[in-house]
Amino acid sequence: EVQLVESGGGLVQPGGSLRLSCAASGFTFSSYWMSWVRQAPGKGLEWVANIKQDGSEKYYVDSVKGRFTISRDNAKNSLYLQMNSLRADDTAVYYCARGLEWFMWGQGTLVTVSS
Amino acid sequence: QTVVTQEPSFSVSPGGTVTLTCGLSSGSVSTSYYPSWYQQTPGQAPRTLIYSTNTRSSGVPDRFSGSILGNKAALTITGAQADDESDYYCVLYMGSGVVFGGGTKLTVL
Repeated sequence: EVQLVESGGGLVQPGGSLRLSCAASGFTFSSYWMSWVRQAPGKGLEWVANIKQDGSEKYYVDSVKGRFTISRDNAKNSLYLQMNSLRADDTAVYYCARGLEWFMWGQGTLVTVSS
Repeated sequence: QTVVTQEPSFSVSPGGTVTLTCGLSSGSVSTSYYPSWYQQTPGQAPRTLIYSTNTRSSGVPDRFSGSILGNKAALTITGAQADDESDYYCVLYMGSGVVFGGGTKLTVL
């Protein structure tokens, strides 16, 4: 069974940083593209970033380019999202997801950016 | 900027059939966009229903089916049940990332 468990969310002030982690199990992590998707309170889903199996390709939605960095550690079956220069509109539940064109989902971790 | 369009809301009677659609602000949806569909209830993570246009995810009942109808992707629910009342999102693959539709709120009444 595919399991994706996010951690690292919390309350952070505007301009601050946060690093999200995702622990994967139940599949061969190194064989899959991985993604982050977020959902602001009461809003729809928004793709944030993805990363190729070996980390050689990474793509981001325009609104986070230059501020967020996606990475992975295949030896640890883990996905990460480093978030810098956080803004109030980054407040959302962040989901770790397996895949490129379609997704299997974690349960999400809440990031709140507020003073 | 590519916009993926969905009906904001839809209503279906219990036992009825409903088709939700997923289009593009410019152009037609084809299998090359690998359309996928997700169901989400409040406070829960999305659940994968359909991927690659018409492949059901593991454990999804065959009441749910995906297709291309005209110039849009479509999700059809046959024999709607009360617990189908949810938000439904479609996703289209754009070559480096994906774009989500705004979601359809389905009411079963």
